This record gives sequence, structure tokens and C-alpha cells, in this order.
Amino acid sequence: DAGVIQSPRHEVTEMGQEVTLRCKPISGHDYLFWYRQTMMRGLELLIYFNNNVPIDDSGMPEDRFSAKMPNASFSTLKIQPSEPRDSAVYFCASSQGIDYGYTFGSGTRLTVV
Amino acid sequence: GENVEQHPSTLSVQEGDSAVIKCTYSDSASNYFPWYKQELGKRPQLIIDIRSNVGEKKDQRIAVTLNKTAKHFSLHITETQPEDSAVYFCAVLHMEYGNKLVFGAGTILRVKS
Repeated sequence: DAGVIQSPRHEVTEMGQEVTLRCKPISGHDYLFWYRQTMMRGLELLIYFNNNVPIDDSGMPEDRFSAKMPNASFSTLKIQPSEPRDSAVYFCASSQGIDYGYTFGSGTRLTVV
Repeated sequence: GENVEQHPSTLSVQEGDSAVIKCTYSDSASNYFPWYKQELGKRPQLIIDIRSNVGEKKDQRIAVTLNKTAKHFSLHITETQPEDSAVYFCAVLHMEYGNKLVFGAGTILRVKS
């Protein structure tokens, strides 16, 4: 298996633009997580899905953020409109269960200028 | 709310010495405690995990100990090598707050050769 695949690896965008991050989890993993990593706040859970259904989105910063999982092999995290404070590394991870090890993707480094 | 305290924030050891990182948590219902290693610019990777029904787990030079009564767990790395230099994150599966894996702030480990 190629692991968790995220795209793009880097994204530079202007404030106000829409940004879409993509993730392909490991086949057979029922859980998918979106985390954000910054120096100030560390690794924060934004949202997670179980069998394509959003379970907990309490970590989503505000209405500008939305996430979807239309099928078991694809998820997106969208920011619209983007702001400079959204600059961070966004990781997608997948797992066989909520209490199993998570496999992280390589992350998307987002810079909003 | 969810709280995972990790100490120390930085740790510098001489090659061959041992390193110990400690985490404390607040949710007594928590039952899953993984540790992740993140090298510079890379993704977090699971190195070891422990469940609440055991007190200690070992994997070669790495061990984790859990004290459920005191609500703390520790990562022990013996015979440290330069390639152990990285950021280490503990995590706690918080059952009380919606089955979320909450990460500590991280420990920067430097192994001097």
C-alpha cells in the first residue's frame, strides 16, 4: 500500500481565495482524520470520519472550514475564504479503529499571503 | 477540557545515554496511549502504543510505562543514537470528550554524538 496520500504537498495562495486539500486514506481503514499543525498550537484535530460519516467536527475553527468524504477512498478539506492565520501544515491520517495507530500522510504545507 | 501535559519540552542527551519523556492526562476513562516520532519536515509516525490493561510495553530500545492511578505515562529510549533526534509526541484517546486522540505539545530530543 502507498500509505495515506495527500495533495498538494505545498500550497501558496492569496488571502480570500478558496483552498482545497485532498486525501486518500489507506484501503480498509475505516477512520479518517484531519489534523492541523502549527508551532503555537501543536497538532490539533479538526474533524474525523468513520465509514465516510463525519463523527466529530468540533475542532473545525469556523464556518470557513468544511470537510467531506464522498467515498471510502477520498476526502477533502476546504477553506473558503482563506486567511493568513490558516497558514499551517495540514495532515490527513487514517486508521483501522479509533484506538489503533494512525498513519499520517506527508501533509500539505499551506501558506496564505 | 482535554488536557495532555508533556515534559520536558526539550531534551539533550549524549549518544548512548537514556532519554525519558513524561506525559500526564486528566481523563480517567482514557484507555489508549500512543507515542509518535516526527523528524524535521516529515510526518508523525507511530513508534509504540500502550493500552490501559497493561503497565509496560517494550520494543527493542523503546519502552512505554503507564500509571493509570496517577494518570501519567512515559517513553523510555535506551542507548540513544543520533537518528533518535526528532520531536516526540505523546497522545491520549480522550473518551470523555468524544473519543478524540489529543496530542501533547511535543519534546524536541537531541542526541549528541
